[in-house]
Parts: sequence; C-alpha cells; structure tokens
Amino acid sequence: GENVEQHPSTLSVQEGDSAVIKCTYSDSASNYFPWYKQELGKRPQLIIDIRSNVGEKKDQRIAVTLNKTAKHFSLHITETQPEDSAVYFCAPDDQAGTALIFGKGTTLSVSS
Amino acid sequence: GAVVSQHPSWVICKSGTSVKIECRSLDFQATTMFWYRQFPKQSLMLMATSNEGSKATYEQGVEKDKFLINHASLTLSTLTVTSAHPEDSSFYICSAPRSGTADGRLFFGSGTQLSVL
Repeated sequence: GENVEQHPSTLSVQEGDSAVIKCTYSDSASNYFPWYKQELGKRPQLIIDIRSNVGEKKDQRIAVTLNKTAKHFSLHITETQPEDSAVYFCAPDDQAGTALIFGKGTTLSVSS
Repeated sequence: GAVVSQHPSWVICKSGTSVKIECRSLDFQATTMFWYRQFPKQSLMLMATSNEGSKATYEQGVEKDKFLINHASLTLSTLTVTSAHPEDSSFYICSAPRSGTADGRLFFGSGTQLSVL
C-alpha cells in the first residue's frame, strides 16, 4: 500500500511570508496529487491538485509542484495570511476508486 | 449540486451506549462510502469501506463488531459505534467517491464529533 510522509508536521510563519509543505509517497502508480485544507472540526477541503502529466500548477497564492521521479510533491503558499492557518493534508492517489490515504498533516500557523 | 449529508454533527453519550451516525448522498447514488476517524491533532484514518448491498471491508485494527456499518441503500450508509467508551471519542467523517476529479476525488460529509463520557 501507499506510504505517505508529510513534512514538516508544524510550520509557523509571519504574515506575508511563504510556506512550503512536502509530501513523499511510495506508490509509483499514483497519478493524482491533491492537497486538502482542514479547519478545526470541519471537513477537509480540496485547495489544489495536480496530475502526473504536469509538473506545476498555480492558483493565485497557492501552487503545487510535482517531482514524479523522486516521488514527492509540494504545496507552496505565498503571501500567507492569518486565514491560511489550518491543517494541510496531502493524499496521493492512483484513482483506482479506493479510499484516499492522507498524510499525517501539517499544522500551519500564520501570525500577524 | 451533489452533497453528502452527515448527521448528527455532534453527540455526547454515556459510556456503554450505542451511537448511530448517518451519511446520505443527495442528488446522486453512492454505491461506496468511506468512513474515516480522526483523533485530535491527527490525520484522517480510514476505518472501513462500505458497499451497497454487501458487507463492509474494515481496515486492520478496526473492530467490525464494535463499529457496525450498514449500507442498505444507494443513498444511505450508517456507522454505529456499539458500547461506546471514552477512547472512542473522536471525529468521524464519511465520504463518497465522485466521478472524475473536478473539485476533488471525494465528497465529504460534515463530520460527527463524538464525545463519550
């Protein structure tokens, strides 16, 4: 099965700084790489995803980069804001219809 | 649009009682539901996969006699925590696969916070 490692487990930044979270996976069949944001007591929300035929995708302040050879993908948040404070999870997937397996999560704290 | 409705949002119960959590797919049929459990400051851990009309598949370490899953229709899956104990206190969330990956691979319910006294 998929072995997912996510680093760092916690990340504290000042407002306006950038934040980077890395996810390493083991299953070479993975071809879909989403990042989820979860606020306390809420459901996870997809914030960005990338497929294996693309190396980078950007959506305003959020970007995801993929290195399929090295089996890792990263979430980049620029110009962080206090409302970015949450737990972020990666969930590399082979789109075979099975459940998503989530990384252990990264708690991002943005202080103003 | 398609939504997964989960109830209740939170429940407090006494130790030894049973609690039922419902997950309904609205405007679409869910032949499969995934049930996750999340302890404080931890990740979402898959508990089981329920399939309409057949027995659920449980992940290693999850007691099937304690966490009863029923998926009797194409729109309803239920998780019953039997003889609940304080260590069962957790956030339980259901999800259903969506076709394609637009807006993500899964619809998530809103979650149920269970507190066992």
